Amino acid sequence: KAGVTQTPRYLIKTRGQQVTLSCSPISGHRSVSWYQQTPGQGLQFLFEYFSETQRNKGNFPGRFSGRQFSNSRSEMNVSTLELGDSALYLCASSLFSGGNNEQFFGPGTRLTVL
Amino acid sequence: SQELEQSPQSLIVQEGKNLTINCTSSKTLYGLYWYKQKYGEGLIFLMMLQKGGEEKSHEKITAKLDEKKQQSSLHITASQPSHAGIYLCGAESGGSNYKLTFGKGTLLTVNP
Repeated sequence: KAGVTQTPRYLIKTRGQQVTLSCSPISGHRSVSWYQQTPGQGLQFLFEYFSETQRNKGNFPGRFSGRQFSNSRSEMNVSTLELGDSALYLCASSLFSGGNNEQFFGPGTRLTVL
Repeated sequence: SQELEQSPQSLIVQEGKNLTINCTSSKTLYGLYWYKQKYGEGLIFLMMLQKGGEEKSHEKITAKLDEKKQQSSLHITASQPSHAGIYLCGAESGGSNYKLTFGKGTLLTVNP
């Protein structure tokens, strides 16, 4: 069974631009969560999508948005990029939403904002 | 909001030595996950604990969730260079606004 895939793996953008990251979950998984990882803040929850609906959202500005398609693939978008958005963005998929539910992580997208 | 503190922040051990990493929560733990991460890569699931007093083992790694459910420990027996990496604990938030909150991680170096 294929794991969680994320594209692109690396991305370089400049301030003010926008970016879209993609995540394909494990086949059969309906929940996709997104996380931002930085050296200073660690791993922080961005949002979770389940059955094309955003279920939960972390404490990030509205510049960070996402969506999920009917095949459970998910995208996240960051508009008006800032230097502080440079980070490793990880997505995780799970069978369902909620507790007692192992999350499988993708390899991440390394975003660098210049 | 829930906070997880991991200790130590980093650890250097000689191959063959045992070690323990701790994860302490500011609130009751409803579900505690341990992951391992190679630098700059995704997280690899190690174990999930849910009941106070629960203990799980996989190969040379054992994780426990204490009775009062506010602390978990990860113990590695006879460490090997393949154990090197960043160990992260993650806790379920509980309630309807479900999410995983992670500790800052423990960087483990195993010297051959």
